[in-house]
Amino acid sequence: AQRVTQPEKLLSVFKGAPVELKCNYSYSGSPELFWYVQYSRQRLQLLLRHISRESIKGFTADLNKGETSFHLKKPFAQEEDSAMYYCALKDGAQKLVFGQGTRLTINP
Amino acid sequence: GAVVSQHPSRVICKSGTSVKIECRSLDFQATTMFWYRQFPKQSLMLMATSNEGSKATYEQGVEKDKFLINHASLTLSTLTVTSAHPEDSSFYICSARGLWNTGELFFGEGSRLTVL
Repeated sequence: AQRVTQPEKLLSVFKGAPVELKCNYSYSGSPELFWYVQYSRQRLQLLLRHISRESIKGFTADLNKGETSFHLKKPFAQEEDSAMYYCALKDGAQKLVFGQGTRLTINP
Repeated sequence: GAVVSQHPSRVICKSGTSVKIECRSLDFQATTMFWYRQFPKQSLMLMATSNEGSKATYEQGVEKDKFLINHASLTLSTLTVTSAHPEDSSFYICSARGLWNTGELFFGEGSRLTVL
């Protein structure tokens, strides 16, 4: 069965430091992966998807099929990056399976 | 951008009563809507997939008679929690996928249900 694992519930870094939020998945098919973000008091929204190969708000994520990972990275964290981040996988039934989420806190 | 609205955002009800939560796509037509449940400090758990004009598909372990889902139009899906009990207290979130189906989901703001 498909599964998304985010090993860190909490991650705290200083402003300007690099950030990496880990995400591993298990899926027998060809995965389609996403990162969603939820800022304080706001709804969940799409941050980026692997098929777009884009950088959003300085964040990038590369799909590594060998390691079954889709880690989210940003070279220099900003205070406004503090939020809850969810890694998600779209399965063959077009459903999104979410990881447990990582709460990122950027310290000034 | 695509907007999904949920109503009510908060509801408190007595045990044994039924509560209806609405999910509307305001500026797009949604072929598919999803209902999630989120417990405090936990991830979103998919409850059911709702397709317009057809019966909802429930995830394993979700009681279809307890959580009634109706998707009568391309812009509205409703979740009714029947005979609510305190253990049904939770945050319920809906999301919708547009006709263009890029895979992106648009989320509602969520509805917090408290059953006394």
